[in-house]
This record gives sequence, C-alpha cells and structure tokens, in this order.
Amino acid sequence: QSALTQPASVSGSPGQSITISCTGTSSDIVNYNYVSWYQHHPGKAPKLIIYEVSYRPSGVPNRFSGSKSGNTASLTISGLQAEDEADYYCSSKRSITRVFGGGTKLTVL
Amino acid sequence: QVQLVESGGGVVQPGRSLRLSCAASGFRISVYGMHWVRQAPGKGLEWLSFFSAEENRNFYADSVQGRFTGSRDNSKNTLYLEMKAVRAEDTAIYFCARDGPHWDVDYWGQGTLVTVSS
Repeated sequence: QSALTQPASVSGSPGQSITISCTGTSSDIVNYNYVSWYQHHPGKAPKLIIYEVSYRPSGVPNRFSGSKSGNTASLTISGLQAEDEADYYCSSKRSITRVFGGGTKLTVL
Repeated sequence: QVQLVESGGGVVQPGRSLRLSCAASGFRISVYGMHWVRQAPGKGLEWLSFFSAEENRNFYADSVQGRFTGSRDNSKNTLYLEMKAVRAEDTAIYFCARDGPHWDVDYWGQGTLVTVSS
C-alpha cells in the first residue's frame, strides 16, 4: 500500500503563497473527491485543515485552500505566517481504508 | 470537547507484545469509526487500521495485518491496539484518531511513542 507522493519540503517568506502537491493513483485521488489535508506541529495532535478536496472546517483561516486535478491534489497557503511552519500531510480515501502522503515540511523564512 | 489520549507506549523488545490504549472523551466511540495511524522517526504518517462502526469490523494495512489487532471497550470509551511480534520497524509514534463525516480524520490524539529495541 504505497503512500501518496508529496515534496519533502517547501519554503516561503511571510506574506507569500506556497503550494504543496499530493500525487496519487486511480485507487485513491483520481476516483474519490475525498482528499483531506492535515497540519502537524511535532509533539502536538495533527489538525484537519481541508476535507473533501477544498472544504475548510470551522475555524480554519481562508488562507488555506485545496484543489484537485486528475491524480494530483494541492494545498495552497496564502499570506504565509510564522505559525504556518509545520508538517503538512495529504490523505485520501482508498476503498474502505485511507492512505497518507509522506508529508511536506513547510519552512517560513 | 473531543479529546483522545493515547497511552501504553514504551520500550519493548523485538518479538514481544504491547497493548496501546486510547481513551476518548467528549463523544461515544461506539458510534464512530476510529483509526490508528503511526509516524516512524523522520517519516510520514502511515495509516494502520480502521474500525468501522457501521460494519463492526476492523480493516488493516498490509504492513500490520495478522500482527496488530484493534478492539474497543465501549463501556470504558476506550480503543485498543494489540501489537504482537513487534519489529524494529514498528518503532514510531502511534496516534488514535476519530473518523470524520467526509472520509477524513477529524480529531487526533497527541500520540504515544513505541520503541522496539533489545
């Protein structure tokens, strides 16, 4: 059960925008609009920030947005802030189970 | 509010067994699907198992199928993960998490560290 593919790291300056990609297959991202994204500050509980490709849970700033095209989902963070520095993971439904990406470390310069 | 607290981690020798617990509060686990996910050192999240409340059964990743068993005690509102024949590659932080309504995972615990070492 291979993981979804994410870049290992991205970086940006405060105020800038960054995009993190998440590539899957026909077993997951292609055939399901159930892509979710999680923000994880090490030592803390991961936090859901995007569900169903592009929806934000209550309380998540609209600086966070999601999209999908074909086998690739994307998370965009606009107006970067220092507190956005964290690890980000994508996930998709895969049959009855779930699959996660390898994670992307976001550094705010 | 929803809270998940994992416990039971520690150092365990290869080939031995260990049981992790996840105490839930703020909701009843009997009506929710629940996941176990782990993060090995320097690695990403790896989905391990899902207990489907609708089907009343567990589903497992190939990497742990046959060695790990999920269970729950609804009276204690607690989820368990029984780990048998542990290997060095099972060293990780283990998270329990609640299945969300959108095929997502809407709440997570902070995790418990399992170190497999002789």
